[in-house]
Amino acid sequence: DIQMTQSPSSLSASVGDRVTITCRASQSIGNYLNWYQQKPGKAPNLLIYAASSLQSGVPSRFSGSGSGTDFTLTIGSLQPEDFATYYCQQSYSHPRSFGGGTKVEIK
Amino acid sequence: QVQLQESGPGLVKPSETLSLTCSVSGGSISNYDWSWVRQPPGKGLEFIGYMSNGGSTAYSPSLKSRVTMSVDTSKNQFSLNLTSVTAADTAFYYCARLYYGSGLHYFDYWGQGTLVTVSS
Repeated sequence: DIQMTQSPSSLSASVGDRVTITCRASQSIGNYLNWYQQKPGKAPNLLIYAASSLQSGVPSRFSGSGSGTDFTLTIGSLQPEDFATYYCQQSYSHPRSFGGGTKVEIK
Repeated sequence: QVQLQESGPGLVKPSETLSLTCSVSGGSISNYDWSWVRQPPGKGLEFIGYMSNGGSTAYSPSLKSRVTMSVDTSKNQFSLNLTSVTAADTAFYYCARLYYGSGLHYFDYWGQGTLVTVSS
């Protein structure tokens, strides 16, 4: 099974900050990497698919990069509505696996 | 707009079977893959498994011996059965549509989730 490791597990940031979250796969997964945002009490919401493709309706301040084993999610200028938990997920092989999550909190 | 809604008992006794249904509206269930994901309160997401539109399934190895998924196209519903549950199966259970195209596979629509508690 492919293990997905996210870092950091949590971070504190201010509105307007640039935020970067990393995700590392235990083996190469090409660009088969997706990112989701989850707010408290809500279902996850797709932000980025195929490592760098922005899902329709998602603000352009979100971007993804990487391939192989190392990936990043960047929020260009953090907005109040972006405080949430972010998960990466690989779709290279079964079982599909998620990272442990990164909680973005208000500083 | 595609909408998914989970339904089923919120409380299940240990050793019994957890059964959930996902009702899909706004689109046909026949043309997509469908999945279940769970999340213990305060913890991360865990992939349970999925069923393809062709009827094949892939389950998490850790749950494979206890999981069954099925689709009822006449009702536009997707179901999960998890047998011999324990307290460790207490979680929010989400159904989700798995978009598959151009070799890509991602969860593009999710239900709101339902909390299932395993307790006597």
